[in-house]
Amino acid sequence: DGGITQSPKYLFRKEGQNVTLSCEQNLNHDAMYWYRQDPGQGLRLIYYSQIVNDFQKGDIAEGYSVSREKKESFPLTVTSAQKNPTAFYLCASSSGAAGNQPQHFGDGTRLSIL
Amino acid sequence: LAKTTQPISMDSYEGQEVNITCSHNNIATNDYITWYQQFPSQGPRFIIQGYKTKVTNEVASLFIPADRKSSTLSLPRVSLSDTAVYYCLVAFNQAGTALIFGKGTTLSVSS
Repeated sequence: DGGITQSPKYLFRKEGQNVTLSCEQNLNHDAMYWYRQDPGQGLRLIYYSQIVNDFQKGDIAEGYSVSREKKESFPLTVTSAQKNPTAFYLCASSSGAAGNQPQHFGDGTRLSIL
Repeated sequence: LAKTTQPISMDSYEGQEVNITCSHNNIATNDYITWYQQFPSQGPRFIIQGYKTKVTNEVASLFIPADRKSSTLSLPRVSLSDTAVYYCLVAFNQAGTALIFGKGTTLSVSS
């Protein structure tokens, strides 16, 4: 069954710690995305990657970092520089250029600060 | 500044047609509009996509008028299971690509 797998489903972080959220896809998609969702808000783009070893900042990249060493994987690191990291994080992928192909989403990771 | 605006909430009854409108400024001729459905604690699910006139699939229709300043998602004969949050996404392909989601419309369907 093809899809996007995000892990863990829930994640807790202590102040000053970096944490990494995992995103894996077996859809053979070139493009992958990370979004942040806050209560009552739409999704805001953090980073996206259209090809392996290349990625671009989205609207709210500060305090986050990504890597794209493999086509299937696009991990997101929430660094200690992100002062308000508590949110629902969603990973997505698409077969073509950003925007003109449907995105397939994982079921998210909920990050909370201890 | 690219922006998408949609109503915060809508109410409907089973069997009715529901139309949700998204306003989008500064949209170019080939900028795509996509609609997603989201249930609590899940990722959004694709509903429909288009960039002009009308698109129809087995679950919805998307209407885009000639001026392209808005678009309307039409859900025919909704059921209780259509209660969810609906998001429009516009891909603004000007000076790079900006993926701008609306803040979502919570649709409540009652019996």
